[in-house]
Amino acid sequence: DIVMTQSPDSLVVSLGERATINCKSSQSLLYSSDNKNYLAWYQQKPGQPPKLLIYLASTRESGVPDRFSGSGSGTDFTLTITSLQAEDVALYYCQQYYSSPKTFGGGTKVGI
Amino acid sequence: EVQLVQSGAEVKKPGESLKISCKASGYSFTYYWIGWVRQMPGKGLEWMGMIYPGDSDTRYSPSFQGQVTISADKSITTAYLQWSSLRASDTAVYYCARHGRFCRDDSCYPAYFDYWGQGTLVTVSS
Repeated sequence: DIVMTQSPDSLVVSLGERATINCKSSQSLLYSSDNKNYLAWYQQKPGQPPKLLIYLASTRESGVPDRFSGSGSGTDFTLTITSLQAEDVALYYCQQYYSSPKTFGGGTKVGI
Repeated sequence: EVQLVQSGAEVKKPGESLKISCKASGYSFTYYWIGWVRQMPGKGLEWMGMIYPGDSDTRYSPSFQGQVTISADKSITTAYLQWSSLRASDTAVYYCARHGRFCRDDSCYPAYFDYWGQGTLVTVSS
């Protein structure tokens, strides 16, 4: 199984400041023949199901604000929230879909 | 509009059986894998397994293989997650979600989760 490790477990950011979340995979998520990274990011607010933010490591899902961005390749990935808003307080998870089981990271709690 | 509507909360005793459901609508049910995700109280997301309703091909995470059964009835566009003998440690919220698709080399594969059900809380307590 591919192990996904997120860091930090939690972080506190001031409104309008940047939040950076890291995700590391135990194997490369880059498929050589198409040069794509099979990694997604989700946001989960209390009492709600997760919501897809980013797929293919850096492609924003339709309707997701552009303050959310994803970067990285291979085994190291980052989710960045520029100019944090109050509504961004949530848990964030990365997930690899390179192979089954399609494992999640442990989650990062973002607070203000 | 794609929708996944899950069955309601359940309270069960250890040793009892249970089957929860996930009713899909708004898309071609047989062409997308449906996955199940566990979230124990205060914990993270765990991918349990998935099913392709078109041919009932089913894959499990090793952590859940033999512990649960995933099935689907394409005639009523519904996926299921069932237990034959519940334990207290099965207490959790269970989500169904649709795997998006990506295609390469003339084949298509399950991708990230693009639509989620609202979750079903299962409480197992004596």
